[in-house]
Amino acid sequence: DTEVTQTPKHLVMGMTNKKSLKCEQHMGHRAMYWYKQKAKKPPELMFVYSYEKLSINESVPSRFSPECPNSSLLNLHLHALQPEDSALYLCASSQDRETSGDNEQFFGPGTRLTVL
Amino acid sequence: GQSLEQPSEVTAVEGAIVQINCTYQTSGFYGLSWYQQHDGGAPTFLSYNALDGLEETGRFSSFLSRSDSYGYLLLQELQMKDSASYFCAVRDPQYQLIWGAGTKLIIKP
Repeated sequence: DTEVTQTPKHLVMGMTNKKSLKCEQHMGHRAMYWYKQKAKKPPELMFVYSYEKLSINESVPSRFSPECPNSSLLNLHLHALQPEDSALYLCASSQDRETSGDNEQFFGPGTRLTVL
Repeated sequence: GQSLEQPSEVTAVEGAIVQINCTYQTSGFYGLSWYQQHDGGAPTFLSYNALDGLEETGRFSSFLSRSDSYGYLLLQELQMKDSASYFCAVRDPQYQLIWGAGTKLIIKP
């Protein structure tokens, strides 16, 4: 299995809602990432987990809360989002940050989030 | 700090060859990667150069010159399906990728 899966594909939520994005990989990768991508922009790193521990948190607002339940799963919990948070949210994984860095990452198809 | 420059848009003809350039400024160099992203899709890893020279993978090749802080992605025998955005990215000392702004490749028949 050489893919990263994400659910849901599309999500529309109000500013008072709580929702979660889910990501899964079965490649035995030990690093997993959340990115946010706006149209015509590069992916913007939000969080990195390495060996199930939060490694990087790029000053992301607390309304985004990551969780790594095990080495195959990554969640992003959303609460009280703003319309400007509407974007494509991408999950990615890589083999091992310490040995190969972040150079080769495998991306999931993303969740298209719209905040009303 | 880290920064990368690549053209915002390149246009080429189907069947031709196109080169997408990337120059970078980094405090330490740990490799240059290339990703492809189709509209509405996710980025897909294309290649990685840690050492100087050319890496070839089918119709795609990637070149690196560390002394010039420069690399390029070469696409041969262009096909319409190659129309996409192409990102170069470098790894910083904390292992994370710093992405260029992306080059939109437009292919005309």
